Amino acid sequence: DGGITQSPKYLFRKEGQNVTLSCEQNLNHDAMYWYRQDPGQGLRLIYYSQIVNDFQKGDIAEGYSVSREKKESFPLTVTSAQKNPTAFYLCASRNPGPSRINEKLFFGSGTQLSVL
Amino acid sequence: SQQGEEDPQALSIQEGENATMNCSYKTSINNLQWYRQNSGRGLVHLILIRSNEREKHSGRLRVTLDTSKKSSSLLITASRAADTASYFCATPPPTGANSKLTFGKGITLSVRP
Repeated sequence: DGGITQSPKYLFRKEGQNVTLSCEQNLNHDAMYWYRQDPGQGLRLIYYSQIVNDFQKGDIAEGYSVSREKKESFPLTVTSAQKNPTAFYLCASRNPGPSRINEKLFFGSGTQLSVL
Repeated sequence: SQQGEEDPQALSIQEGENATMNCSYKTSINNLQWYRQNSGRGLVHLILIRSNEREKHSGRLRVTLDTSKKSSSLLITASRAADTASYFCATPPPTGANSKLTFGKGITLSVRP
């Protein structure tokens, strides 16, 4: 089955610890995204990547880092600099298509990160 | 900043009734998308309407777009308990063909059996 896999489903971070959230897709999509969702809130864009070895900051990139070494993988590291990391993290991908018009996003099932 | 704003924030209806949700946005768009999220899950794309379209249907879903009022509505007809979820509208930025979708805060729909 094609899709996006996020792991783990639940993650706990200790004070001062960096943690990495995994996102893998087998949809052959060029573009991948990380969003953060807080309770009762919309999604806020953390980082996005339109092509391998390239990524851009979103609206709330501080305290986060990413890499895009392979087309199918876009891991997100929540660093100790992120003082309020408790949230639901969603990974998404998109195939821009030949016309470059924005099309729909495909989402993973999310990772809930909590601070111990 | 929030591009799309949905209303109402929460909606509770009886099974079989229709549910209407609204989204307003601030800048020009080339398309508007609606997504659904079940509790604790990722978002699922429902429907996309382009700026040159006024109405679009998909099964029990009907979406309208009024670019002069910068608003869209999502109608779910003959609702079912399984329609209980949060619904989000999303818009791309006004310029360029880049990738960033901006989401509203969402509408929580509860359908009572």
